[in-house]
Amino acid sequence: DAGVTQSPTHLIKTRGQQVTLRCSPKSGHDTVSWYQQALGQGPQFIFQYYEEEERQRGNFPDRFSGHQFPNYSSELNVNALLLGDSALYLCASSFGYGNSGANVLTFGAGSRLTVL
Amino acid sequence: AQSVTQLGSHVSVSEGALVLLRCNYSSSVPPYLFWYVQYPNQGLQLLLKYTSAATLVKGINGFEAEFKKSETSFHLTKPSAHMSDAAEYFCAVSDVVTGGGNKLTFGTGTQLKVEL
Repeated sequence: DAGVTQSPTHLIKTRGQQVTLRCSPKSGHDTVSWYQQALGQGPQFIFQYYEEEERQRGNFPDRFSGHQFPNYSSELNVNALLLGDSALYLCASSFGYGNSGANVLTFGAGSRLTVL
Repeated sequence: AQSVTQLGSHVSVSEGALVLLRCNYSSSVPPYLFWYVQYPNQGLQLLLKYTSAATLVKGINGFEAEFKKSETSFHLTKPSAHMSDAAEYFCAVSDVVTGGGNKLTFGTGTQLKVEL
């Protein structure tokens, strides 16, 4: 049973460029969340998608945008890259979008973005 | 907003010794609490979760955590450390959003080193 898969695993961009990261959720999961993990820090919530709509958003600028497709996969786009965007970007999936905070998130291995 | 504080960014123990990783939470409502482990170049793996069913929660790999409301703590323990336990550990609290969904707020992590 495949877990959460992310691509690419590593990439290098320069300031001002744009990047797209991709995520396929665990089989049976329909909700996708994205987190940014800077070096030496805990992951920080970017946004969450369910039924192809952004349902929640963390404290990130509009340069960060996303999309969820009918097959539940998702993309994270970052425009006008800054040096500070260098981080590990983690995708997490879960099942259902009820009022339960007990939903367990399954994380992928991440995409490591370096901005030069 | 809910938050967690992990005391000690680095913890070092001898193989076979007790592991104690500290986590304190701040929440205005009964929280859902999680411990995740991250091995180098990997995503986060769930160790255990607290969802108010029992205050002592047993997880994978011999880890357990005790929820103490009076101390607002959720410390992670393991009776006997193994070399394979060396990793970074994150405590997280779930923010349940009105209308559905949840997001995790992570602590800054504790790097566990196990020495011979």
